[in-house]
Amino acid sequence: NAGVTQTPKFRVLKTGQSMTLLCAQDMNHEYMYWYRQDPGMGLRLIHYSVGEGTTAKGEVPDGYNVSRLKKQNFLLGLESAAPSQTSVYFCASSYPDSLSGNTIYFGEGSWLTVV
Amino acid sequence: GNSVTQMEGPVTLSEEAFLTINCTYTATGYPSLFWYVQYPGEGLQLLLKATKADDKGSNKGFEATYRKETTSFHLEKGSVQVSDSAVYFCALRSRGTSGSRLTFGEGTQLTVNP
Repeated sequence: NAGVTQTPKFRVLKTGQSMTLLCAQDMNHEYMYWYRQDPGMGLRLIHYSVGEGTTAKGEVPDGYNVSRLKKQNFLLGLESAAPSQTSVYFCASSYPDSLSGNTIYFGEGSWLTVV
Repeated sequence: GNSVTQMEGPVTLSEEAFLTINCTYTATGYPSLFWYVQYPGEGLQLLLKATKADDKGSNKGFEATYRKETTSFHLEKGSVQVSDSAVYFCALRSRGTSGSRLTFGEGTQLTVNP
């Protein structure tokens, strides 16, 4: 069972470089999310998507862009990486929130270091 | 806005000890409540959930009861094992909010020693 798959798992970037994190899910979920995890702060929502072709801002969207061209994929882009973007990034997916108890499934994380 | 507050960590216990990790929340509407667990080097996994007041979620010996009167969802386990060492996150999800975002607590690091 693949579930939610993120690539790459690890990456080191220089300040000012750009990169894209790829998330793929095989559960036919409508909703997809990108979170970042920082020590002592839990997970914070960067961007999310409620369907193919739609995206929306979360709590901490600045410095990131996203695209959802296909239902199964959700891409997170860093336009010009900054050391403050050093973090662990988690992708997640779920069915629509017609019932808010629906489970959200997470990928294994992508460790990004910006030097 | 929604918020989740967890007890400060880290928590260190001996094997077979009783575990409580406190979680309180502030939310509009009628949220669903979750506990997620993150083992070292892995992503988050759903541990248990409760979708309405007085519901009890349980899994792998862990339990949590949705207490609307105290806005709490404390995680408990009667006898912890070394394999329970992980970071535990309390989270909520509100009905009626678009995007179905989860709001997370800060996480509590649990270490269980043999």
